[in-house]
Amino acid sequence: GAVVSQHPSRVICKSGTSVKIECRSLDFQATTMFWYRQFPKQSLMLMATSNEGSKATYEQGVEKDKFLINHASLTLSTLTVTSAHPEDSSFYICSATSGGALSSYNEQFFGPGTRLTVL
Amino acid sequence: SQQGEEDPQALSIQEGENATMNCSYKTSINNLQWYRQNSGRGLVHLILIRSNEREKHSGRLRVTLDTSKKSSSLLITASRAADTASYFCATPQGTGGFKTIFGAGTRLFVKA
Repeated sequence: GAVVSQHPSRVICKSGTSVKIECRSLDFQATTMFWYRQFPKQSLMLMATSNEGSKATYEQGVEKDKFLINHASLTLSTLTVTSAHPEDSSFYICSATSGGALSSYNEQFFGPGTRLTVL
Repeated sequence: SQQGEEDPQALSIQEGENATMNCSYKTSINNLQWYRQNSGRGLVHLILIRSNEREKHSGRLRVTLDTSKKSSSLLITASRAADTASYFCATPQGTGGFKTIFGAGTRLFVKA
């Protein structure tokens, strides 16, 4: 099956710093990647949709200047949390779809998540 | 915004019992998916059911879909302690159905 990795799996940073999270599709080309945020004991909330080579589409209420998304290649998308604050502490999960043979009915493949803690 | 509502929000059962979780959604869909998430971990895709299917089985899992009621259920039979996790339904949204929107989830606790 399709594999999506995330790096790092866990990061602790000081308030005001920026943190970059990588999402990679390991064995398929991901035309579209998605970023989700999950607070403790809550569901996944879609933050943005990114297509390779174009600007990301952000969900309502998500600050595009704070959460910078770059999808520079068909296997890599990055999420940068700029000037992170304690309220940004969360579990960030990416997913990817190829939109092709691997993906029937828009099946997505999820990364293992990144736990961000901002002190 | 979240598409699906799930109930119960939390479920505690004994090992060997069956667990049933329900999901309702608001808009028309062409498929619905169920995922499992162990605490602090990523998602595991369990099963996808298409809008023209009414029931689907995978091992100890049985999923039903009622498009007229816009609802789905996930049944786990003969539950095990290892089934303890959160379970989410998810539906495609947006142009082309490329976005996946998750329900609130059911936290299942199976006591050994």
